[in-house]
This record gives sequence, structure tokens and C-alpha cells, in this order.
Amino acid sequence: GNSVTQMEGPVTLSEEAFLTINCTYTATGYPSLFWYVQYPGEGLQLLLKATKADDKGSNKGFEATYRKETTSFHLEKGSVQVSDSAVYFCALRTKAAGNKLTFGGGTRVLVKP
Amino acid sequence: GAVVSQHPSWVICKSGTSVKIECRSLDFQATTMFWYRQFPKQSLMLMATSNEGSKATYEQGVEKDKFLINHASLTLSTLTVTSAHPEDSSFYICSASDRGSDTDTQYFGPGTRLTVL
Repeated sequence: GNSVTQMEGPVTLSEEAFLTINCTYTATGYPSLFWYVQYPGEGLQLLLKATKADDKGSNKGFEATYRKETTSFHLEKGSVQVSDSAVYFCALRTKAAGNKLTFGGGTRVLVKP
Repeated sequence: GAVVSQHPSWVICKSGTSVKIECRSLDFQATTMFWYRQFPKQSLMLMATSNEGSKATYEQGVEKDKFLINHASLTLSTLTVTSAHPEDSSFYICSASDRGSDTDTQYFGPGTRLTVL
């Protein structure tokens, strides 16, 4: 079956620090990979995605590269802001699973000024 | 565009009562809507998938008689928690796939917090 493993939080950073959140996956078939962000009190928002190996998704200064050889999709941002404080979810989807999303456990990030 | 709303945003009810949660796609038609449950500080667990005009498909371990899902139109799906008990207290989130999109992206609602006393 499909599964997603991401680093546990919370991750506490200072403003302008570099952020990395690790995400690895197992999947039947060729998954599409996603990062979602959940700000306090809000629903999930799609942050970025990649649909095939070596694709790089990017948005709002965040990047993640689909690495098939290491089955990973790590999220990075070079300089975080207080407004990036949120919970980040890595997820995947495969046609074999009926295009249902499988989520990782979520990583809470707290950026301090 | 691609906005999904949920109503109510929070609800408190007594044990034994039923609660209905609505999920609407505001500016697109949703062929498929999904219902998730999120426990505090945990990930989202898919409860069921509903397609407009047909019965919902429930994930293993989810009681379909307890969590009634209706997807009556391309813009509305409802989740009814029947005879709610304190263990049903949770954050319920819906998402919808845009029928007119070729990317099949899921758009999430803001969630409904249910507290059963």
C-alpha cells in the first residue's frame, strides 16, 4: 500500500533560517507528490506538487524535488518568515489507489521573530 | 477560484444527537468530494469518497451507518454524524476535485470542529 513518512515536529526556527522538512514515501505505481500547508485555524492549502521524477515544485519560496531513486520529496525554504508558522503535510496520490490522497503525519513549524 | 466552504465551522452537541456538516464547492463543479477526519496534532484520515449521484465509498473501519454521506449535487456534499458520542469529537474536513480541471487537484474546506458532550 501507499504510505508517507515525514519528520516529526515541532520544528522551531528563527526568522530567516533555512527550513528542511524530510518526506519519504512508499507507493504502488508512480505517485504524484504534494506538500500541503495548514495555517492555524484554517483548512489545508496546496503548497506545491510534482507529478514525475526529477520534477521540482515551487511556490512562495518553498521548493521540493521528486527524487525517485531515494523515494523522497523533501521541502525546503531558504529564509523563513514568522508567517510560515504552520503545519506542513506531505502527501501522495496514485491511480492504483483511485487517486485518493495519502498523508504523512504532519510537521508543525514555528518561526520565531 | 477553487473555493470550498464548510458549514458550520464548529458545533457542540449532546451525546445521542445527530449533526449535519455541509461541504460546498463555491465556484466549480465537483465530481468527487472527500471527507477526512483529523485528530489533534495528527494527520488526516480519509473516511469516505463520494461521487455526485452515487453512494459513497467508505474506507475500512469507517461505519457507514454512523457517518452518512450524501452528494446530491455537483456543488454540495453532506456528512451526518448520527447518534454522536464523545469519541466522535474531531475536526472534519472535506475536499473537492474540480470537474473542469485536468489536474484533478483536491481543494480543501476550512474544516468543522465537532465537540460532543
